[in-house]
Amino acid sequence: KAGVTQTPRYLIKTRGQQVTLSCSPISGHRSVSWYQQTPGQGLQFLFEYFSETQRNKGNFPGRFSGRQFSNSRSEMNVSTLELGDSALYLCASSTGPGANDSPLHFGNGTRLTVT
Amino acid sequence: SQQGEEDPQALSIQEGENATMNCSYKTSINNLQWYRQNSGRGLVHLILIRSNEREKHSGRLRVTLDTSKKSSSLLITASRAADTASYFCATVSGSARQLTFGSGTQLTVLP
Repeated sequence: KAGVTQTPRYLIKTRGQQVTLSCSPISGHRSVSWYQQTPGQGLQFLFEYFSETQRNKGNFPGRFSGRQFSNSRSEMNVSTLELGDSALYLCASSTGPGANDSPLHFGNGTRLTVT
Repeated sequence: SQQGEEDPQALSIQEGENATMNCSYKTSINNLQWYRQNSGRGLVHLILIRSNEREKHSGRLRVTLDTSKKSSSLLITASRAADTASYFCATVSGSARQLTFGSGTQLTVLP
């Protein structure tokens, strides 16, 4: 079974631009979560989607948004990029809702650099 | 915000030795999970232990959970150079569905 696929692998953007990251979960997984990883703040939860509905949101500004499609694929969007948005963005999928009963399966992430 | 801290922040051992990493957390939990991350890559799930469990094993991995002390430990026995990675504990609490990660332990296994 194919793992979680994230595209693109690397992105370089300029302050003020917007960016869209894509995530394809493991086949049959209906929950997709997004996490941001930075050296200073560590791993932080962004949001979770289950059956096309946002179920949970972390403490991030409204510039960070996402959506999930009927095939469970997910995208996250960051508008008006700031230097501090430079990070590794990780997508994870699971069989059940979130991580309450089952482990998360992570993709290799998208490395976003904002200049 | 991070749920807790991991100790030590960095650990360097020789191949064949055992490695122990500790994780402390702040609130009561539903489960605690351990993940491994190789440099710049995604996280790989290692073990999930529920709040009513005290110990779990998986191959060379042993995880203990002490809910009274709000702490967990991960033991890797007979370590190999391929075990070199960052190890994170993560908790799920209350009605939350997301993982709250610790700060991680960087393990280096020297050949």
